[in-house]
Amino acid sequence: EPEVTQTPSHQVTQMGQEVILRCVPISNHLYFYWYRQILGQKVEFLVSFYNNEISEKSEIFDDQFSVERPDGSNFTLKIRSTKLEDSAMYFCASSEVPRTVGNTIYFGEGSWLTVV
Amino acid sequence: AQKITQTQPGMFVQEKEAVTLDCTYDTSDQSYGLFWYKQPSSGEMIFLIYQGSYDEQNATEGRYSLNFQKARKSANLVISASQLGDSAMYFCAMNAGNMLTFGGGTRLMVKP
Repeated sequence: EPEVTQTPSHQVTQMGQEVILRCVPISNHLYFYWYRQILGQKVEFLVSFYNNEISEKSEIFDDQFSVERPDGSNFTLKIRSTKLEDSAMYFCASSEVPRTVGNTIYFGEGSWLTVV
Repeated sequence: AQKITQTQPGMFVQEKEAVTLDCTYDTSDQSYGLFWYKQPSSGEMIFLIYQGSYDEQNATEGRYSLNFQKARKSANLVISASQLGDSAMYFCAMNAGNMLTFGGGTRLMVKP
């Protein structure tokens, strides 16, 4: 069964360092997302991406965050200068068509980011 | 804006019994989707079931069914014949566009 894959599964980084989280969405999917979950809290939307540009973003997705689709398969989330409060599980997700009502959103297994 | 409420932070169920996890939502959109995800202790987010706002029949997927009551804005998840492996966090989510809004989750613990 096709799945969303994420790397790394866990990363520890020093505060102030740049981090890149990588995702390979399901191959025929066109809409890509990043969500995050701080330990013990609810899952929060960060950004959606379609046709090589950001479609929607939340208040959390500030200037330290960026997303990119550098080639035909990878979808990356970059955190430019990490802060302690960026420690969270980051989920990549994808869906088949732009309008997700009526279409399932599939999540990857997540990337644990620990900022020390 | 959408809002999802899961009022049960934790629940116990006896193995082989059925359990209902509550979810209520609020939205002004006419077209929306409702999702349930399972998050085991390993952390991944596993899709369980989906219900569209215009679907007339309640969604079912194996042991999972969604009790959708549109007028009451509720989308409860029913798990039949609980198994020990069902112990996990369960999140209700909805979308009316291209992002999901999640509830706070319910931790389900299945007792042997």
